[in-house]
Amino acid sequence: GENVEQHPSTLSVQEGDSAVIKCTYSDSASNYFPWYKQELGKRPQLIIDIRSNVGEKKDQRIAVTLNKTAKHFSLHITETQPEDSAVYFCAADPLNDYKLSFGAGTTVTVRA
Amino acid sequence: DAGVIQSPRHEVTEMGQEVTLRCKPISGHDYLFWYRQTMMRGLELLIYFNNNVPIDDSGMPEDRFSAKMPNASFSTLKIQPSEPRDSAVYFCASSPTGYYGYTFGSGTRLTVV
Repeated sequence: GENVEQHPSTLSVQEGDSAVIKCTYSDSASNYFPWYKQELGKRPQLIIDIRSNVGEKKDQRIAVTLNKTAKHFSLHITETQPEDSAVYFCAADPLNDYKLSFGAGTTVTVRA
Repeated sequence: DAGVIQSPRHEVTEMGQEVTLRCKPISGHDYLFWYRQTMMRGLELLIYFNNNVPIDDSGMPEDRFSAKMPNASFSTLKIQPSEPRDSAVYFCASSPTGYYGYTFGSGTRLTVV
């Protein structure tokens, strides 16, 4: 099955700075890579996703990049704000398999 | 749409008791997933259904766990008998056919004492 590793496990940034979270996956057949944000006591919510035929995708202050050769993808948050503080999960989904395998999560703290 | 609806939000039960968690997926979503979240193991897929049929239950930890989906709008996850190590947050998620983005429910926080 798919193995997704996520780094770092915790990340503290100053408000306004950028945050980058990186994930690696093992199954080269994976073709879908979503990112979820989970605030304390809340449900995980999809914030951005990317498919294997795209190298980069942006949505306002967040972006995701994918390197299929190296089998890694990253989440970039620019101009961080206190409301960005949460746990972020990456995931991967092998082709024709609807099972998402999640990374262990990154706890992001934005310091005011 | 009200989103994925789970009940109860919190459940405290004694070891050995039966626990039933409930989920109502988003209307029109053909895929339903049950995940368990713990600090130690993160988000683990337990089982998923496609058009009410269980497709993969390889993540179900033991025979004490069972899941059903009698119709397109309802699923249950049952633990019998429950044990303290089953304490976790159980999430249900649904997804429309051909689209991979999950929508999670609010989860059920289960505590077995």
